[in-house]
Amino acid sequence: QQQVKQSPQSLIVQKGGISIINCAYENTAFDYFPWYQQFPGKGPALLIAIRPDVSEKKEGRFTISFNKSAKQFSLHIMDSQPGDSATYFCAASLSNSGYALNFGKGTSLLVTP
Amino acid sequence: GAVVSQHPSRVICKSGTSVKIECRSLDFQATTMFWYRQFPKQSLMLMATSNEGSKATYEQGVEKDKFLINHASLTLSTLTVTSAHPEDSSFYICSARTEGRSPLHFGNGTRLTVT
Repeated sequence: QQQVKQSPQSLIVQKGGISIINCAYENTAFDYFPWYQQFPGKGPALLIAIRPDVSEKKEGRFTISFNKSAKQFSLHIMDSQPGDSATYFCAASLSNSGYALNFGKGTSLLVTP
Repeated sequence: GAVVSQHPSRVICKSGTSVKIECRSLDFQATTMFWYRQFPKQSLMLMATSNEGSKATYEQGVEKDKFLINHASLTLSTLTVTSAHPEDSSFYICSARTEGRSPLHFGNGTRLTVT
């Protein structure tokens, strides 16, 4: 059972545009929500993460928006660049499970020049 | 930043043989390590959680006798795929974290091909 649902499956954005990826979760006990970026043949790299006590977190061009009541969170990539082309995974975890991550299915982002 | 090193990056083995994959935390002590499996263009599926000095906890559907996990020290965990079959071919990725609420860091994965 997929505990974290991610959309869209793929996304094409023009250089300079905003990329938006959405995730939804069911388990209200989740208390940590990271986003990972993965390039082909590599392991995922942590991009940015948020905890449910804040509604937004920004790091450079990357912003997480978190809506606790809707059980949704999203990643916004501002001024998207071709180098951002990768697969992005949202995830959620429980502190009492050792923070094992439950991943979404991933979004393949292509930023065109 | 925290670095997790995984070795080998690629391995090809014959059906019926065993393969060992190492995961090391290079600049921090990893009290907990996780092993994931990823099929092409799919998400990461958690296989097991290992804590240093204790037995690994396997996810439902993961055969513990086939995927042997050892977390003998705070910087090393190993995954051994025993009696490998072609259906075990996959991308195996380890991850590690320290205590508390620290982020999870991933290795670069091991591409296993069983012929």
